[in-house]
Amino acid sequence: GEDVEQSLFLSVREGDSSVINCTYTDSSSTYLYWYKQEPGAGLQLLTYIFSNMDMKQDQRLTVLLNKKDKHLSLRIADTQTGDSAIYFCAESSGSARQLTFGSGTQLTVLP
Amino acid sequence: DTGVSQDPRHKITKRGQNVTFRCDPISEHNRLYWYRQTLGQGPEFLTYFQNEAQLEKSRLLSDRFSAERPKGSFSTLEIQRTEQGDSAMYLCASSGRDNEKLFFGSGTQLSVL
Repeated sequence: GEDVEQSLFLSVREGDSSVINCTYTDSSSTYLYWYKQEPGAGLQLLTYIFSNMDMKQDQRLTVLLNKKDKHLSLRIADTQTGDSAIYFCAESSGSARQLTFGSGTQLTVLP
Repeated sequence: DTGVSQDPRHKITKRGQNVTFRCDPISEHNRLYWYRQTLGQGPEFLTYFQNEAQLEKSRLLSDRFSAERPKGSFSTLEIQRTEQGDSAMYLCASSGRDNEKLFFGSGTQLSVL
């Protein structure tokens, strides 16, 4: 079945860039997503990219997609302490557009 | 746009009891999803409605679980004869015309003692 994998932890210093990586296996994925989850909260949609694109930029966020390698990354520029959270990569396919999520990357921003 | 609303936020129950959760999607969103998230994991898809029709169910949704969306607006998820393994965060999401954007609620945290 479909699988989405992410590294579990990332620490960066405030003001640096963060890069969170994700790989997926489903070649029929239509959209790929990044969600943010803070403790005790639901998931906040940060950004998403259609599978025929290779890059999308939205303010401090840049998504890169390498469809050949099935690799997705999220770059956060000028990372702030408020960016500390768990970041989930997800892919969707099929008519229902249900999402398959990775296990999440815990981003810690150090002052 | 008030966002996806879920009730209750927390539920503690004893093993064997039945529980019911409610989800109010974003107004006019025709698609509604239920997911389950256990500690340290990403959410897993449970089931999906388009309007009032339940169109897809995951194998995770055992026969103790039932979901309804009777008028195509709010939805309920019922778990009968709860087991300790049912302890998890139950998340609801909805999407509208832009079907690719799923918006999640804050979830219901279920603890089965």
